[in-house]
Amino acid sequence: GAGVSQSPSNKVTEKGKDVELRCDPISGHTALYWYRQSLGQGLEFLIYFQGNSAPDKSGLPSDRFSAERTGGSVSTLTIQRTQQEDSAVYLCASSSGPDYNEQYFGPGTRLTVT
Amino acid sequence: SQELEQSPQSLIVQEGKNLTINCTSSKTLYGLYWYKQKYGEGLIFLMMLQKGGEEKSHEKITAKLDEKKQQSSLHITASQPSHAGIYLCGAEPTDSWGKLQFGAGTQVVVTP
Repeated sequence: GAGVSQSPSNKVTEKGKDVELRCDPISGHTALYWYRQSLGQGLEFLIYFQGNSAPDKSGLPSDRFSAERTGGSVSTLTIQRTQQEDSAVYLCASSSGPDYNEQYFGPGTRLTVT
Repeated sequence: SQELEQSPQSLIVQEGKNLTINCTSSKTLYGLYWYKQKYGEGLIFLMMLQKGGEEKSHEKITAKLDEKKQQSSLHITASQPSHAGIYLCGAEPTDSWGKLQFGAGTQVVVTP
């Protein structure tokens, strides 16, 4: 596709359940980012993948959060044992590389934990 | 970690009037990015600034980065209803290359 796609667009889950959020970056983009946008918190960096390098996980809020990027393309953000404070819009972005960091964002996944 | 302050928090402007949004970093930046977001949608890239003193324009939107690379402004000339939304500045500090830290955003409302 032409842009970054994310699925699902909306996810409602019960507290304590695990969820997986998917991001399909722009073809050829080597860098992929996950952000979280919650009410009153603004846009918060979570994790960054660049090529085959070890990901920068410095923004992950707890060990319940993890992310993978398979084959240098699609990424999955997994949240285990979801809590109500995990409710937010999760945004994925990709860019062509660290030397040109114009990030293109997907439409986001709105996660609601009940 | 860096502090990134964006002002004002919200702005109501009459159609046809100009507006300016500011973004200030506590650290020298490698890059400064401006995005626009409409409610319930992802972020739309507007402009990227990397050089001190740089200025870029696209249609009626102009963004500037100061010589010290710590402060940026986004100026919209003759605002239109299509300019309504949330404007976010994203900063790439020189010591944290690659990931963006965002300001809190400025909500712009354009009235008839």
